[in-house]
Amino acid sequence: GAVVSQHPSWVICKSGTSVKIECRSLDFQATTMFWYRQFPKQSLMLMATSNEGSKATYEQGVEKDKFLINHASLTLSTLTVTSAHPEDSSFYICSARDWASAYEQYFGPGTRLTVT
Amino acid sequence: RKEVEQDPGPFNVPEGATVAFNCTYSNSASQSFFWYRQDCRKEPKLLMSVYSSGNEDGRFTAQLNRASQYISLLIRDSKLSDSATYLCVVNAMNSGYSTLTFGKGTMLLVSP
Repeated sequence: GAVVSQHPSWVICKSGTSVKIECRSLDFQATTMFWYRQFPKQSLMLMATSNEGSKATYEQGVEKDKFLINHASLTLSTLTVTSAHPEDSSFYICSARDWASAYEQYFGPGTRLTVT
Repeated sequence: RKEVEQDPGPFNVPEGATVAFNCTYSNSASQSFFWYRQDCRKEPKLLMSVYSSGNEDGRFTAQLNRASQYISLLIRDSKLSDSATYLCVVNAMNSGYSTLTFGKGTMLLVSP
């Protein structure tokens, strides 16, 4: 089946620093990638949708200048959390969809971010 | 009203029990429906799609009622390995994009 990887799997950083998370589709070309955030005991919340080669579409309430998304190739999308604060501590999960699939998304293993 | 609502959990059941999860969704334009399973600190994984005609996969049966905007998942003969959080997921078009909306999840704990 389709495999999506994320790196790093967990990261601890100090308040005010920036963190970059990578999401890669390993055996298919992902025309669309999605970034989700999940706080403890909460549902996955879609942050943004990115299509290769174009700007990401952010969900309401998600600051595009704080959460920078780049989808420069068909196998890689990155999420950069700029000037991270403790309230940004969360589980960040990406998913990817190939051109042939209308609905199915393949999820990465997630990145646990802790901001101290 | 939340877009996707699920039974509050957790559900504690003994091995071998039958357990049912319910889910309602608010967007009548939703097009496809899924149950995902999420283990603690892991990504969600697709368990099964849900069709109006109902579908079964081994011990798992999913049902969809579009008129009531209601989805269910039945697990028969529960195993210890079924312990996880079950997420009801709905797909709809949103500003031209197909997006998934997740319920909060219902935790299942199967005990020996």
